Amino acid sequence: TQLLEQSPQFLSIQEGENLTVYCNSSSVFSSLQWYRQEPGEGPVLLVTVVTGGEVKKLKRLTFQFGDARKDSSLHITAAQPGDTGLYLCAGATGTASKLTFGTGTRLQVTL
Amino acid sequence: KAGVTQTPRYLIKTRGQQVTLSCSPISGHRSVSWYQQTPGQGLQFLFEYFSETQRNKGNFPGRFSGRQFSNSRSEMNVSTLELGDSALYLCASSSTGAYGYTFGSGTRLTVV
Repeated sequence: TQLLEQSPQFLSIQEGENLTVYCNSSSVFSSLQWYRQEPGEGPVLLVTVVTGGEVKKLKRLTFQFGDARKDSSLHITAAQPGDTGLYLCAGATGTASKLTFGTGTRLQVTL
Repeated sequence: KAGVTQTPRYLIKTRGQQVTLSCSPISGHRSVSWYQQTPGQGLQFLFEYFSETQRNKGNFPGRFSGRQFSNSRSEMNVSTLELGDSALYLCASSSTGAYGYTFGSGTRLTVV
């Protein structure tokens, strides 16, 4: 059974602070996706990383895929209240028709 | 372009009943997946359909079933509902899968 462990589970920070969320597994994935989910809504895709060692930047968000394709991280610079939500990593294997989701990191950014 | 549409948004059912949930994917997307989200178990994969064929299935009992129509719209059915089936059911569509899914807002099912 593939498992994706995220840490931390909860994070409460003030606006302007930096943070990193980790997503770890003992399994190898062909791609790793990050989503953000807000209450009452479905997850929204932020990024997909497919190459070991790959780094992608989306404005203040930086995503990294581990060299062995077993882990990933999400770094947010200068967090804003709009970043508040549940962050989920999801690993895909093979044809990627089945995603294994991580345990989730709930982020709250206050003024 | 329109997103993934799930109906209904909310549903209350009694234990033992059955329920059918509907999902309309993004136009042109042939892959439709279903997930169950609960506070205790997180997001768990139910099944995926591609061009009307079930391509992958998760570890759920046979009470959970689905189908996909020729226009890519999908339905999932849960028979003999149990209290533990209370969850947010999410549908996601994709053209390739490997590069990410677009999720609907979900159907919140409460079994009483």
